[in-house]
Amino acid sequence: AQSVAQPEDQVNVAEGNPLTVKCTYSVSGNPYLFWYVQYPNRGLQFLLKYITGDNLVKGSYGFEAEFNKSQTSFHLKKPSALVSDSALYFCAVRVPALGSSNTGKLIFGQGTTLQVKP
Amino acid sequence: NAGVTQTPKFQVLKTGQSMTLQCAQDMNHNSMYWYRQDPGMGLRLIYYSASEGTTDKGEVPNGYNVSRLNKREFSLRLESAAPSQTSVYFCASRGTGIWLAGGAEQFFGPGTRLTVL
Repeated sequence: AQSVAQPEDQVNVAEGNPLTVKCTYSVSGNPYLFWYVQYPNRGLQFLLKYITGDNLVKGSYGFEAEFNKSQTSFHLKKPSALVSDSALYFCAVRVPALGSSNTGKLIFGQGTTLQVKP
Repeated sequence: NAGVTQTPKFQVLKTGQSMTLQCAQDMNHNSMYWYRQDPGMGLRLIYYSASEGTTDKGEVPNGYNVSRLNKREFSLRLESAAPSQTSVYFCASRGTGIWLAGGAEQFFGPGTRLTVL
């Protein structure tokens, strides 16, 4: 079955320290992977994606993610956390539709709450 | 551009009542999606529309219907609301590019918070 797992419900980190939010996936074929962020009472905002190419992808607000095919992981990272990074983070993977390269849908992980303390 | 807009922002229904959630996008996107968000469960896809005139079921379609009215609008209807449908509902759209070349990310509306008593 195709799935995404975020093993941590919450990650706590001190401001200025590096942060990692973990994501593992299970999907047939080449994975297309995404990270989204949700601030309180808001919709989801796109952060970054891995489609192909370099395993380290850079996104918005200083975030980056590393694609690791052998470990089927796509962990989100930031070298120096800010209090304003506190939010709910979702990892997602595209599930392709049979017979089409241009449709398909996303499966989301359950989300990880990031708490950055001053 | 307003992006993806949703109405209403909040709604309280009684069991058995019906309502339609409205979604519109002004980005000329082909694909549109309806999700529900429940605590600890992430987002689950209810229905999606790959292009104008087509709709398909997602993970949790039971109790819902959708209409892709035109390229801009994609509505979600609850015919007979149940307490299990209490949730936050998000509409999203995706660009016209193929996944590999770009246009892969979805853009989300602000959500509708629905309570069914």
